Amino acid sequence: QSVLTQPPSASGTPGQRVTISCSGSSSNIGSNTVNWYQQLPGTAPKLLIYRNNQRPSGVPDRFSGSKSGTSASLAISGLQSEDEADYYCAAWDDSLNGWVFGGGTKLTVL
Amino acid sequence: EVQLVQSGAEVKKPGATVKISCKVSGYTFTDYYMHWVQQAPGKGLEWMGLVDPEDGETLYAERFQGRVTITADTSTDTVYMELSSLRSEDTAVYYCAKGHQSPRLPFDYWGQGTLVSVSS
Repeated sequence: QSVLTQPPSASGTPGQRVTISCSGSSSNIGSNTVNWYQQLPGTAPKLLIYRNNQRPSGVPDRFSGSKSGTSASLAISGLQSEDEADYYCAAWDDSLNGWVFGGGTKLTVL
Repeated sequence: EVQLVQSGAEVKKPGATVKISCKVSGYTFTDYYMHWVQQAPGKGLEWMGLVDPEDGETLYAERFQGRVTITADTSTDTVYMELSSLRSEDTAVYYCAKGHQSPRLPFDYWGQGTLVSVSS
């Protein structure tokens, strides 16, 4: 059971906007920033969003992140087939003194 | 260009120990924490621990405490993860990941992963 809670799956059609939620607690999301990783099939994870809503260089602005209280969300607009991947949220946990991840959300582009 | 290149796949028997390497290049090795993350087949990501290459200080996740050892060799810019008392549940892909100058800041580059298979 992951410390951060994500829906196991999400889906959308090309061009649509989808959101993926991530729920935590006061010791992780509530007091630290949230990061999102994209893992394409058979590859290593890639940093997609850091510090709640910042995009690393090269990440399209179709991807955006937000945080409120002990929850965060990742939004993908203008959905493309290449966005089909697993998405993970992550945050530092002050109580566990380490990093915690969500269980991952498998995004399917219909 | 930042690169993290991990050692090859391993097959181990239950009770054995595995040691995986991760050689980095493209940045100053001692300036950034290094992390290890486990991903069991078809499962999510789990943080195992970190090392500060500058002084060798480590921090381990409770689940792996006592079985994992993470070390850094500044002469070769390589970080190692050793996992002992292997059991079938340790069959997974293990990733090294470059952190930042604080352990609380995210990993921005990842190695390609190393598959460890544990089977009798």
